[in-house]
Amino acid sequence: NAGVMQNPRHLVRRRGQEARLRCSPMKGHSHVYWYRQLPEEGLKFMVYLQKENIIDESGMPKERFSAEFPKEGPSILRIQQVVRGDSAAYFCASSPLRDPSEEQFFGPGTRLTVL
Amino acid sequence: QKEVEQNSGPLSVPEGAIASLNCTYSDRVSQSFFWYRQYSGKSPELIMSIYSNGDKEDGRFTAQLNKASQYVSLLIRDSQPSDSATYLCAVGLDSSYKLIFGSGTRLLVRP
Repeated sequence: NAGVMQNPRHLVRRRGQEARLRCSPMKGHSHVYWYRQLPEEGLKFMVYLQKENIIDESGMPKERFSAEFPKEGPSILRIQQVVRGDSAAYFCASSPLRDPSEEQFFGPGTRLTVL
Repeated sequence: QKEVEQNSGPLSVPEGAIASLNCTYSDRVSQSFFWYRQYSGKSPELIMSIYSNGDKEDGRFTAQLNKASQYVSLLIRDSQPSDSATYLCAVGLDSSYKLIFGSGTRLLVRP
C-alpha cells in the first residue's frame, strides 16, 4: 500500500525560473495539504485542497505561488519566478476524510534549492 | 506569542532513560494533537495522536494531554539511540483542517 508520493525529491532552479512540485496522496485519501519547512524551522501550512477545489490557501503567499488538485492526476504546487528565499523542503500530506481531527500522513518531501 | 511552543533542545538522555518532551499551545479551541518524529533530512512520521484529556499509551510512547493547562507531552520509555530525532508537536483547531506545528525539540539519546 503506497504512501504519499512526491516528486521530484530534489529540485534545483535558478532565480526567475518556475518550480513545479507534485504530490500523489495515499490510496483512498482525497484531501491534500502542502507545508513548507525552512531550514531549522517547523512546518508551516500553505494550502489545503480536495479534488478540483482549494479549501484553504491562507498560508500561501499571494504572489508567485499557486496550487491545484485536478480530477485526474497529482496535486501540483507551482512557484513562479523563484527567489532564494523559496529554498526549503516542501511536504505534502494527505488524509482520508474531511475532518479536522483526521491524522495527516506526510510524503518524503521535495527539497527545492534556488541558486 | 507563538501558537505552539516547544523547547528547541537538544534534550540529552542516556540510553534506557525516560525522555519527556513538552508542548504548549495558545488556542483554546484546539481539538486534536499530534506528535511527529522527524529524522534529519527526512519527512515527519506520525507517532501519536490524542484528542481527550489524560494519557494514551502505544508501546514505549505515552502522550499526555491537559486541555485546562493547554499542554501536551510525549514520554518515551527505555529510550534508544535510534530515537534520536526532532519531535514535532502539531495542533489541529476545531474550525480548521491545517495543523499548526511547533518548531520541534531535538532529542539526543546517548549510548
